Amino acid sequence: GQNIDQPTEMTATEGAIVQINCTYQTSGFNGLFWYQQHAGEAPTFLSYNVLDGLEEKGRFSSFLSRSKGYSYLLLKELQMKDSASYLCAVRGPGGSQGNLIFGKGTKLSVKP
Amino acid sequence: EAGVAQSPRYKIIEKRQSVAFWCNPISGHATLYWYQQILGQGPKLLIQFQNNGVVDDSQLPKDRFSAERLKGVDSTLKIQPAKLEDSAVYLCASSSGEGAEAFFGQGTRLTVV
Repeated sequence: GQNIDQPTEMTATEGAIVQINCTYQTSGFNGLFWYQQHAGEAPTFLSYNVLDGLEEKGRFSSFLSRSKGYSYLLLKELQMKDSASYLCAVRGPGGSQGNLIFGKGTKLSVKP
Repeated sequence: EAGVAQSPRYKIIEKRQSVAFWCNPISGHATLYWYQQILGQGPKLLIQFQNNGVVDDSQLPKDRFSAERLKGVDSTLKIQPAKLEDSAVYLCASSSGEGAEAFFGQGTRLTVV
């Protein structure tokens, strides 16, 4: 089976840095994804990690430790538009055709 | 490149009625997913297709839900009969199978009354 845990809600201040954690237990692993979802909209892809370490993309970075079953998404220089839900997802066994299982999402509120 | 297309965007039905959703994935994407997203929760995988074959339907309530992807392109998801707890957004996503990410459609918001 697969279990993905992330905090339900977080609040941060505009201009600050926030880290959203994700832990997972899966029967197989073929990559971890982070998606952003604004209210009423579809999820959009943010980042992908398959090897241990940090992936940086502009204001967003994602980290993976496979041995610990742990990832985080780091958002720098927060903007009001970053208020959204952030979804952690794990691709299960089966290589690139493995199923894509999502956590419940972390609702981030950015305050002025 | 056109994105994932879904229709309808919104649907309101009474319980025990039937409903169908349609999805057209990104051209050339072999993998197609249907997800159910209840308000305030993450997407729950219902079924995954690879071309026209089912890869994973372990969480599909097969007594009332069915899905098909006959020609390995478009897909339909049907609910019959609908229950109040089926009220949710139904998201379709596709991926190339070689690339990493899945791309999502805008979803169909279903309300069962």
